Amino acid sequence: GNSVTQMEGPVTLSEEAFLTINCTYTATGYPSLFWYVQYPGEGLQLLLKATKADDKGSNKGFEATYRKETTSFHLEKGSVQVSDSAVYFCALRAAAGNKLTFGGGTRVLVKP
Amino acid sequence: EPEVTQTPSHQVTQMGQEVILRCVPISNHLYFYWYRQILGQKVEFLVSFYNNEISEKSEIFDDQFSVERPDGSNFTLKIRSTKLEDSAMYFCASKLAANNEQFFGPGTRLTVL
Repeated sequence: GNSVTQMEGPVTLSEEAFLTINCTYTATGYPSLFWYVQYPGEGLQLLLKATKADDKGSNKGFEATYRKETTSFHLEKGSVQVSDSAVYFCALRAAAGNKLTFGGGTRVLVKP
Repeated sequence: EPEVTQTPSHQVTQMGQEVILRCVPISNHLYFYWYRQILGQKVEFLVSFYNNEISEKSEIFDDQFSVERPDGSNFTLKIRSTKLEDSAMYFCASKLAANNEQFFGPGTRLTVL
């Protein structure tokens, strides 16, 4: 079946540091890939997505590139802010499917 | 900006009791979902609903679970006889069309004692 594996947290960083959260997936076909973010007390919000190989999703300074050869979709941000403290979820939607399959989530804490 | 809402935010119940978790999806959306996240574990798909019927369900979604869209605005998840292991955060989501993104609600934390 489909699965998503992402690095465990928590990840603790200082403001303006570089953030990388690794995400790899297993899926048949050509899934769409997503990063969702959950701020404290809120629901899951779509951060960015990519629907085919080599696509780069970007939003709010975050980027992730769909790498089919390594089945990865790592999330990066060059300079984090305290407001980026949240839990980040990598997810996929199978090409013929409807539901999202999530990774375990990575908690990120950015300190001033 | 339209959003998915869920009530209650926290529900505490005794084992064996029935609970109904309520969601109001975004008004023109056509696809509806329930997911859950047991504390410290992954967000897991439970069920998807489209055109007034279940389109897909996971192994978790057994006979104790049911969904309903009773009035064209609400989308409910019922657990008939709760177990301790049903304690989790339950997320509702909706989307407009097949290839669109899913919008999630803030979740209902269910605690079964």
